[in-house]
Parts: sequence; C-alpha cells; structure tokens
Amino acid sequence: EDQVTQSPEALRLQEGESSSLNCSYTVSGLRGLFWYRQDPGKGPEFLFTLYSAGEEKEKERLKATLTKKESFLHITAPKPEDSATYLCAVQDSGTYKYIFGTGTRLKVLA
Amino acid sequence: ETGVTQSPTHLIKTRGQQVTLRCSSQSGHNTVSWYQQALGQGPQFIFQYYREEENGRGNFPPRFSGLQFPNYSSELNVNALELDDSALYLCASTSFTNTEAFFGQGTRLTVV
Repeated sequence: EDQVTQSPEALRLQEGESSSLNCSYTVSGLRGLFWYRQDPGKGPEFLFTLYSAGEEKEKERLKATLTKKESFLHITAPKPEDSATYLCAVQDSGTYKYIFGTGTRLKVLA
Repeated sequence: ETGVTQSPTHLIKTRGQQVTLRCSSQSGHNTVSWYQQALGQGPQFIFQYYREEENGRGNFPPRFSGLQFPNYSSELNVNALELDDSALYLCASTSFTNTEAFFGQGTRLTVV
C-alpha cells in the first residue's frame, strides 16, 4: 500500500541553525515526489517536484533531494519566516493517486 | 497567490444534508484534484478529474462525487453529511503532463 511518513512531527530551530526534514515513502510506481509549505488556514504552496533518485532542487534556503526510499528537505540558515508546516506527497504512476504525509511543523525562533 | 479559487470559504451544514463546493482552476490547467484535510493532518486525496472524467480516486465512499466542466472548473458534492466530514477541503489544479500542482485557499466545512 502506498504510504508517506514524515519526521520529525515538529521541529524548533534557532535562526541560522540548519537542519533536515525527512520523508520516507512506499509507492508501487513513482510519478513524482512533491514538497509543499503550508501556513495555518491556507492551502499548500508548491515548493519542488522530484522525479527520480539522485535528483536535487534548490530554492533560496531550501534544498530537496531524492533517493529510492526517501526524500530530504534541507533548510540552510533558516529565518523566522520559514516557520510553517512542510508537507511531502507522492503520486502513484499507475493510479494517479496522491498520498500526503502528515507534515513537519517547523518553528524558527529569532 | 495562485490562480485557483474556491467557494465558499466557510460553510456550516447539518448532519444528513448535502453540500456542493466549487473550484476554478488556474488558466491553462486541465486537471483538478480534491483533498480533505482534517486539523493537524495532511491532505487526503479524494479524486482527480482530467478532461471531465474521473481518473484517480482515494479511499472515500461514493457519497463523495464530483464534476469537471468544459472550462476545467470543478465541483465536489458530498451527500448525507456526517460529523466526521468537517474539514478543510482543498482543490488543486495542474496540467496533466506537468505534475506541479497549485492549491486554492480551501473551503472550511463544519457539520453540526
């Protein structure tokens, strides 16, 4: 069964303290792995799509990487405005279903 | 801001009633998917529509149904509402070949 597990559930960082969020997945066929940012009461905001193992993408202080079993979202020198819930999702290439993880709640302290 | 708009933003319904939620997709996007997000949880995939046909469905009962119109806008219909249907309902649009999806702000449904 397709499954996405994110860890940790919550993370508190000091401003400038780099860290990584993990997304482990099981899917019969991967069409894509996605990272989103979600602020309270709002819809998810697209960050990255990764399609195959070894792929990496960067945007400002964020860098996403992908292996055959997991993805990491690296946050370098975070700022308080990076505080949000970060969601990982996969799309099954056979059924077109999207499966989301429960997210990592990130809090960056000034 | 994305080009995906949802209406209404908030809604209160009574158990047993029916509800229709609406979504206008971003210009150039022909695929719409719907999600249910309970508080503190990740979005749960309900279904996806491509060219007016359902082409993917999550683990939701048949009382959750949808439509996509020729202009690619979409509706989510939920019959016989239950208390557990209370959630944020999200719509996302994408082009079929590009999996980058853009979400609307959601409709907050409360069933009492």
